[in-house]
Amino acid sequence: SQTIHQWPATLVQPVGSPLSLECTVEGTSNPNLYWYRQAAGRGLQLLFYSVGIGQISSEVPQNLSASRPQDRQFILSSKKLLLSDSGFYLCAAGGSPEETQYFGPGTRLLVL
Amino acid sequence: LAKTTQPISMDSYEGQEVNITCSHNNIATNDYITWYQQFPSQGPRFIIQGYKTKVTNEVASLFIPADRKSSTLSLPRVSLSDTAVYYCLVQSGPVSGGYNKLIFGAGTRLAVHP
Repeated sequence: SQTIHQWPATLVQPVGSPLSLECTVEGTSNPNLYWYRQAAGRGLQLLFYSVGIGQISSEVPQNLSASRPQDRQFILSSKKLLLSDSGFYLCAAGGSPEETQYFGPGTRLLVL
Repeated sequence: LAKTTQPISMDSYEGQEVNITCSHNNIATNDYITWYQQFPSQGPRFIIQGYKTKVTNEVASLFIPADRKSSTLSLPRVSLSDTAVYYCLVQSGPVSGGYNKLIFGAGTRLAVHP
């Protein structure tokens, strides 16, 4: 079974500072990878997905970017954080055959 | 993708069976029904997935009628640790070379009381 790691677990950053959140996956190869954001008390919103190394698609226009430098590594970044970037960020990996998505533990980001 | 509708919240007591119903009137032929559980400050955890009729695993059962316009997640004999948010999703079947976009609603907040 696959395991998804995310770090850091929590992060407090000032407005205008850069951001880098990392996600790594074990137990599967060539997974589809996803970044979601969850606002308090709400469902998850898909931000980015990747079907392979270097292949990134964005779901919503925003202040964030994503990269996939290795098969099982997915990075979420920002050059300058906004207050509205605060939230709970979740990385997910899709496995085969039914493409069930498995989620990591998440990173809680607070931008002050 | 089919939109889902489920109750905002439910209450139950330890030892009871809990049934959470989800409606998905516009489900497509190739769509699956998937349920996730989420505890506070944790990522959603996959519970069960089905296409039609009944699916059972060690955690829950999923009942899907013939028209597939609704589904019911059944949790047998809940405990306090089952207090969580439960999400019903409709997702497309396996897509070679593609991806699956999951649309999460607000889910159902289940509170299990002693």
